[in-house]
Amino acid sequence: QLQLQESGPGLVEPSETLSLTCTVSGDSISSTSFYWGWIRQPPGKGLEWIGSIYYSGSTFYSPPLKSRVSISLDTSKNQFSLKVSSVTAADTAVYYCATQRMAEHHFDNWGQGALVTVTS
Amino acid sequence: QSALTQPASVSGSPGQSITLSCTGTSSDVGDYNYVSWYQQHPGKAPKLMIYDVSKRPSGVSNRFSGSKSGNTASLTISGLQAEDEADYYCSSYTDISTWVFGGGTKLTVL
Repeated sequence: QLQLQESGPGLVEPSETLSLTCTVSGDSISSTSFYWGWIRQPPGKGLEWIGSIYYSGSTFYSPPLKSRVSISLDTSKNQFSLKVSSVTAADTAVYYCATQRMAEHHFDNWGQGALVTVTS
Repeated sequence: QSALTQPASVSGSPGQSITLSCTGTSSDVGDYNYVSWYQQHPGKAPKLMIYDVSKRPSGVSNRFSGSKSGNTASLTISGLQAEDEADYYCSSYTDISTWVFGGGTKLTVL
């Protein structure tokens, strides 16, 4: 059973870089079976897809966020990470990591989510 | 890319059937049969309920069904139960190889 767990600082100052890690258990991050993705949800608002990465390192990013977002893999730790630069209060959200199976277009496994607040 | 359009709220009584709508464009919902639906209870992660417009994952009740017509997808919940009260989000693949979500619908069971 694939399990995902987000971790990282809960507070980030404006203009700094938000960094989160998703630890994967139950399968290898190098598996050709999955895309590894990030989705966020501002308090009281809807879901927003941020981006996804494949085992090969190929990435897909949401156009509005593309200039500030980076997703990478750490195969030695079986983790994948998210970085969002130049954050503002609008980046305050619960950040979820999630999986998509190869050649499929839905998110079938989700982490529990991590709240990140941008504040000085 | 713009978020898919969902009604902010829908309500129904136990035992009734309700339908939630999700409207996109010819660049997403209308162009692909890759619409999925997620249920989210307060403080919890979203749960996949429907994928590829009308397919149910293992373990999801057959009271949940999905369909699509043109640029609008729908989620129907039959035999409404108190436990169905939650937020529901639709999502679609797009023609620029991205994924977009709807703004969500809050379902209230009266």
